[in-house]
Amino acid sequence: AQSVAQPEDQVNVAEGNPLTVKCTYSVSGNPYLFWYVQYPNRGLQFLLKYITGDNLVKGSYGFEAEFNKSQTSFHLKKPSALVSDSALYFCAVRDYTGGFKTIFGAGTRLFVKA
Amino acid sequence: DGGITQSPKYLFRKEGQNVTLSCEQNLNHDAMYWYRQDPGQGLRLIYYSQIVNDFQKGDIAEGYSVSREKKESFPLTVTSAQKNPTAFYLCASGSTGTPYFGEGSWLTVV
Repeated sequence: AQSVAQPEDQVNVAEGNPLTVKCTYSVSGNPYLFWYVQYPNRGLQFLLKYITGDNLVKGSYGFEAEFNKSQTSFHLKKPSALVSDSALYFCAVRDYTGGFKTIFGAGTRLFVKA
Repeated sequence: DGGITQSPKYLFRKEGQNVTLSCEQNLNHDAMYWYRQDPGQGLRLIYYSQIVNDFQKGDIAEGYSVSREKKESFPLTVTSAQKNPTAFYLCASGSTGTPYFGEGSWLTVV
């Protein structure tokens, strides 16, 4: 069965510093992996995805993520955090051998302090 | 404008009532999804549909029902059998595997 874990409930970082939000996954086949961001009382906004190819994926708003097959991880990164990056971040996984079922992690709240 | 429209944004349900949340998309996406989000928590999959007239249960389908009579529409009914329905409900659609989300609907039991 598919599963995805975000081991940190909250990440705190100072503005201008690099940030990392962690995600690990488990699927029976090759994964589709996604990152989303959610602001209060809003839907989720798509940031980036990995399907195949280069292990470093670049996405919206300066975010990027690194796919590591041996560690089954897909950590979200940004070189320099902004206060406006403060939000709830979700990692998601789909096993593309099994249809469109997409499972989300519990979310990680990012606080960026000025 | 293209997008995914959920309505209503806020809905109040009395005990024992069924209510239906609307989700419409004009993106020509094949797949559509319903997720439930409880305050401060992640998303749990209720139902998903890959094509018209077909849908599959997710992880928490009990007390919910859906239909997919048209490609554009995937309404969710929260039945009286759902004992704790107060939550934020999110609809999504996708074509190449990436789900894109609507703005969500808040359901509160009064």
